Amino acid sequence: SQTIHQWPATLVQPVGSPLSLECTVEGTSNPNLYWYRQAAGRGLQLLFYSVGIGQISSEVPQNLSASRPQDRQFILSSKKLLLSDSGFYLCAWSGGWSEAFFGQGTRLTVV
Amino acid sequence: KQEVTQIPAALSVPEGENLVLNCSFTDSAIYNLQWFRQDPGKGLTSLLLIQSSQREQTSGRLNASLDKSSGRSTLYIAASQPGDSATYLCASGGQQPGAAGNKLTFGGGTRVLVKP
Repeated sequence: SQTIHQWPATLVQPVGSPLSLECTVEGTSNPNLYWYRQAAGRGLQLLFYSVGIGQISSEVPQNLSASRPQDRQFILSSKKLLLSDSGFYLCAWSGGWSEAFFGQGTRLTVV
Repeated sequence: KQEVTQIPAALSVPEGENLVLNCSFTDSAIYNLQWFRQDPGKGLTSLLLIQSSQREQTSGRLNASLDKSSGRSTLYIAASQPGDSATYLCASGGQQPGAAGNKLTFGGGTRVLVKP
């Protein structure tokens, strides 16, 4: 069966520090991968998606970037965090147009 | 641009009552609609996926319907239990023609409390 792992679960970072969140999927190949952010009072918003290695599409302009160095690995990064980057970050995968499955999320607090 | 709305934002019912959660979307050109459950501080758990060609899906006490023409989906939870207390989110998928992947547009969620 397929599983999705996301870490760390919580993170407190100072403004201006770098960020790296990692997500890996097991039990499937060539998944579509997604990063979403859930900010307080703003609902879930799609940040990036990837349909293959090295293929990244950004949905909203922001201070973050994403990379997919391996088929089942998706990384969310920032060179310098802003206070507004605080939120709950969720990684997800799907096979084509099918059902999407989410990880357990990373709570990021920028102080 | 697709917009997904869930009303009410919060709902409180006594145990045993049936739950009816509403979801509406502005663009009917969707490929699927998915319902999720989210417990506080946790990720999303997929409950049901309805493909655009389907009218409903069932899993145990859960039943979800889809009416694309009216831009509505409804999630029914029969005989609610305190363990059903959570936030329920609906999301429309694959809305952009030709776009790869199942990009989801989420509603704001309905927070449900089932009282013992």
